[in-house]
Amino acid sequence: GAVVSQHPSWVICKSGTSVKIECRSLDFQATTMFWYRQFPKQSLMLMATSNEGSKATYEQGVEKDKFLINHASLTLSTLTVTSAHPEDSSFYICSAAWVEQFFGPGTRLTVL
Amino acid sequence: KQEVTQIPAALSVPEGENLVLNCSFTDSAIYNLQWFRQDPGKGLTSLLLIQSSQREQTSGRLNASLDKSSGRSTLYIAASQPGDSATYLCAVRRGAGNMLTFGGGTRLMVKP
Repeated sequence: GAVVSQHPSWVICKSGTSVKIECRSLDFQATTMFWYRQFPKQSLMLMATSNEGSKATYEQGVEKDKFLINHASLTLSTLTVTSAHPEDSSFYICSAAWVEQFFGPGTRLTVL
Repeated sequence: KQEVTQIPAALSVPEGENLVLNCSFTDSAIYNLQWFRQDPGKGLTSLLLIQSSQREQTSGRLNASLDKSSGRSTLYIAASQPGDSATYLCAVRRGAGNMLTFGGGTRLMVKP
């Protein structure tokens, strides 16, 4: 099946720093990538939809200036959490769409 | 706005039992419905995908049914095993696009 990778798998950072998370589709080209956020024992909440070469579409309540998304190629999308705070600590999962969505393994972000 | 609900939120059963997980959605105009498995701290693994024109899909000990008119899907797990312990998520796809709306998940524990 199609493989999607995320890097890093986990990251711990100090409050106020910025963190970049990469999402790659390894064996297919994805015109659309999705970024989700998952808090402990909760389901996935869609943050934004990213289309290659265009601006991301953010869900209501998600700050686009805080969660910067770049989709520069058909195999790579990045999510940058700017000026991270402890409340941004969460599990971030990306997916790449090709016929259906294929999910990455997730990135655990802990902001101290 | 599509809302997806999963019942029960948590389930603990002894090994060997057959069990049913429920998923309901408010807007029956779906493109397809998908069941996922998520292990703690991991990404999503797709289990079964049912197109809107289908009634059920089977894979090994798993069987998923779809009743679009009533807005319901069930995931049937036969002869449960401790290795089946995980969170099971259902998600519906809105129209021809790739956007998924997730339910809250059912956390399953199968005891040896």
